[in-house]
Amino acid sequence: DIQMTQSPSSLSASVGDRVTITCRASQGISNYLAWFQQKPGKAPKSLIYAASNLQSGVPSKFSGSGSGTDFTLTISSLQPEDFATYYCQQYNNYPLTFGGGTKVEIK
Amino acid sequence: QVQLVESGGGVVQPGRSLRLSCAASGFAFNSYAMHWVRQAPGKGLEWVAVISYDGSNSYYADSVKGRFTISRDNSKNTLYVQMNSLRVEDTAVYYCAGLLYSGHDYWGRGTLVTVSS
Repeated sequence: DIQMTQSPSSLSASVGDRVTITCRASQGISNYLAWFQQKPGKAPKSLIYAASNLQSGVPSKFSGSGSGTDFTLTISSLQPEDFATYYCQQYNNYPLTFGGGTKVEIK
Repeated sequence: QVQLVESGGGVVQPGRSLRLSCAASGFAFNSYAMHWVRQAPGKGLEWVAVISYDGSNSYYADSVKGRFTISRDNSKNTLYVQMNSLRVEDTAVYYCAGLLYSGHDYWGRGTLVTVSS
């Protein structure tokens, strides 16, 4: 199975900050990488697919990059509604696997 | 308006069975691969299973293989998962999701399954 490792596991940031989250796959997954946002008590929301493509309706402050084994999610200017937990997921091979999550908290 | 509504959760004893349903509306259900994803209390997301758009193929996480069966009825726009031989560690919120990884992906709100004696 492909292991997905996210870092950091949590971070504190201020409104307006630029935030970057990293996701590393245990083997190459091309660009078959998705990012999800989850707020407490809510269902996940799809943000990005194919490593860098925004889902419909997702604001352009979110961006993704990477290919192979190393990927990043960047939030260009953190807003109050962005405080949440973010997960990466590889969909190159079954079983699909998620990273452990990165909790973005208010500083 | 897209909706995915899970049902069938509840409290069940270890070793017993439960079937979850997910009713879909507002999108082309029969064009989507459908997934179950779960989240244990206070934990991260865990992918459980997927079924292809026409039901011809399915794949499972190792943790549920041989115990869970995913299925769908495209005539009813409904996804199912039959969960047998339930264990305490299967306790989680179960989400259904329509994931094409192509710009329009959808998630339900989840249903809680508690396995406890």
